[in-house]
Amino acid sequence: DTAVSQTPKYLVTQMGNDKSIKCEQNLGHDTMYWYKQDSKKFLKIMFSYNNKELIINETVPNRFSPKSPDKAHLNLHINSLELGDSAVYFCASSQDYSGGEQYFGPGTRLTVT
Amino acid sequence: KQEVTQIPAALSVPEGENLVLNCSFTDSAIYNLQWFRQDPGKGLTSLLLIQSSQREQTSGRLNASLDKSSGRSTLYIAASQPGDSATYLCAVRGVAAGNKLTFGGGTRVLVKP
Repeated sequence: DTAVSQTPKYLVTQMGNDKSIKCEQNLGHDTMYWYKQDSKKFLKIMFSYNNKELIINETVPNRFSPKSPDKAHLNLHINSLELGDSAVYFCASSQDYSGGEQYFGPGTRLTVT
Repeated sequence: KQEVTQIPAALSVPEGENLVLNCSFTDSAIYNLQWFRQDPGKGLTSLLLIQSSQREQTSGRLNASLDKSSGRSTLYIAASQPGDSATYLCAVRGVAAGNKLTFGGGTRVLVKP
C-alpha cells in the first residue's frame, strides 16, 4: 500500500528516444509534483499540478511534458532524450497547494547513453 | 531568489553522540520548512514539518527548531544510532518562490558503531 509509487524504478535508454515515467498516489491528495535530482544530489522542482491543473512550470525544456489524467496520477513524458537528462526523478504529493507536508515516491533513475 | 544551504556537507560521529544538522535560508518569508531523510538509492522520507509560526517540532529522538528572522533551522538527533546514517535534507516553502519547495544540498551523516 505504497503512498506514492513510480514506475519504472530504473530506465536506461539511448539519446533521441522518447520515454515516460508514471506516478500514482493513493493518499487522496490534490497536488502532485515532479522533481529532478542531479548527479550532485541537488533536488529541484520541475512541475506541480493541483487538481489536474498545471500551477508550477519551472524553466524546463519543452521536451518535458507532464500529464495528469486525474488527480491521483501525474506522468512525465520526455521527448528526444539527451545525456544531460540523466538523473533521478522524484514524484511527490501534498494534501493541497496551501503548504502541507510533501510525500515523495521512491524515484526513477534515468540513464541516457 | 531563495537559497538554502546546509553545512556541513558530511558528518561522521560515533554511535550515541547527539547529531546537530544546520540549515540556513536567505529569504525569511516562508510558509514552512521540512526536514527529510534520504537513504542511498531511495526516495525521501519526511521527518518533520515546521510551520512559519512555530519555533520547534519534536518527534521521538528528533527535534527541529526554526528561527525565521535569522533564516535558520537546526535538526537535533539525540543518541545517534547506526541506522540514522543517511543524507538529511531541509527544504523551505517560500512565499516569493510561488509556494515551491527549495532544497538544500543535504548533509550526509555516518554514525559509526
